Formats: sequence, structure tokens, C-alpha cells
Amino acid sequence: GNSVTQMEGPVTLSEEAFLTINCTYTATGYPSLFWYVQYPGEGLQLLLKATKADDKGSNKGFEATYRKETTSFHLEKGSVQVSDSAVYFCALSGRAGGTSYGKLTFGQGTILTVHP
Amino acid sequence: DTAVSQTPKYLVTQMGNDKSIKCEQNLGHDTMYWYKQDSKKFLKIMFSYNNKELIINETVPNRFSPKSPDKAHLNLHINSLELGDSAVYFCASSQDIGGNQPQHFGDGTRLSIL
Repeated sequence: GNSVTQMEGPVTLSEEAFLTINCTYTATGYPSLFWYVQYPGEGLQLLLKATKADDKGSNKGFEATYRKETTSFHLEKGSVQVSDSAVYFCALSGRAGGTSYGKLTFGQGTILTVHP
Repeated sequence: DTAVSQTPKYLVTQMGNDKSIKCEQNLGHDTMYWYKQDSKKFLKIMFSYNNKELIINETVPNRFSPKSPDKAHLNLHINSLELGDSAVYFCASSQDIGGNQPQHFGDGTRLSIL
């Protein structure tokens, strides 16, 4: 079945540091890939997505590129802020015709804390 | 305007009780979901409905019964609550069942079993 593996956290950074959160996946076919963010006490919000190989998703200074050859979708940001402190989830969604059609499979989440 | 709203936000109850969580979306989406998030933040899908029809049932105990009276609502009823049911339950919706569409989440219902 499909699976997503994220780098283990927690990750603690100083403001303006560079952020990378690694994400690799196992899936049949060509899934869509997502990063979701969960702020304390809230539900998940879509951060960015990519639906085919070599697509780059970007939002709020965050970027991730769909790499089919390495089955990866690493999240990066050049300069983090205190307000970026949250839990980040990598996820994939199966495509039509597969047993995982329409189903989001999440990684285990990475807690990010940014200090001033 | 809240896109996906679920009630209650907090639910504290005794083992063995029966409880319900309600979810409504005002986005006009066709597909709705229930997820369970454990204490380590791990998220797992429980159910999905598309136009009131059950699509995904992820080997959830039959004490959990979803009900979709219309495509804007997906409620979750839990019978005979157990300690292991303590978690945060999230409702979500997406435009359709297709894999390209992002899901929109409610703020969660924190269920605590005493």
C-alpha cells in the first residue's frame, strides 16, 4: 500500500534560518503530493501541492518539488519566522483506478519550533 | 464564514457511553471525510463519503458509524466508548473524490474518555 515517511522531529530553528523537512513516499502509479500545516489548536490547512513529476508547489515562501526519480517531496523555506512554528504533514493521494483513490495518506508529522 | 465546522470542540465522557460528533461544510463539496489523530499527531483516515455514499471504510471498529443525511453533513456516532478512543477527530471535505483536490479540515473535536 501507499506510505509516506517524514524526517523525525522535533525541529528547532532560530528565526531566519533555512528549513528543510524531508519527505519520501511509496505509491503505485503517480499520486498527487501535498504539504499540510497544523497550527496549535487548529485543523490542517493546505500549504502547497504538486500533481505531477517535476511540478513545484509554493506558498508563503515554502517550496517543494515532486521528484519521481527519488520519490521525494522535501519542504524548504529560505528564512523561517516564529509564526511558522507548527506541525507539518506530508501527504499523498491516490489516483483514479487505484485502491487508494481519493484517500490521503499522511506522514507522521514534523513539529517545527522557531525561536526569536 | 467557517468552511468546515464540527461540534462539539471538546467532548469528555465516561467509558461505555455513546456520543456523536457533527460536521457540516458550506463549500458545496461532494466528498467528506473523518480522520483520527492520536496523541503523537499521527493522522489516519477512518471514512469517506461521496455524495452521501460510503467510499472508504478503513477497518474501523463497527462501534463507529458515520451518517451522511446530505452531502453537506457527515456525522460520526460512537457506541460503547473505550479508553483507546481518546483522540482528536477531524472532519474534512474536498470538491470531489479525485486525488488532485486538496482537503479542507475542521478544527477538530478532542474526545477524552475517563
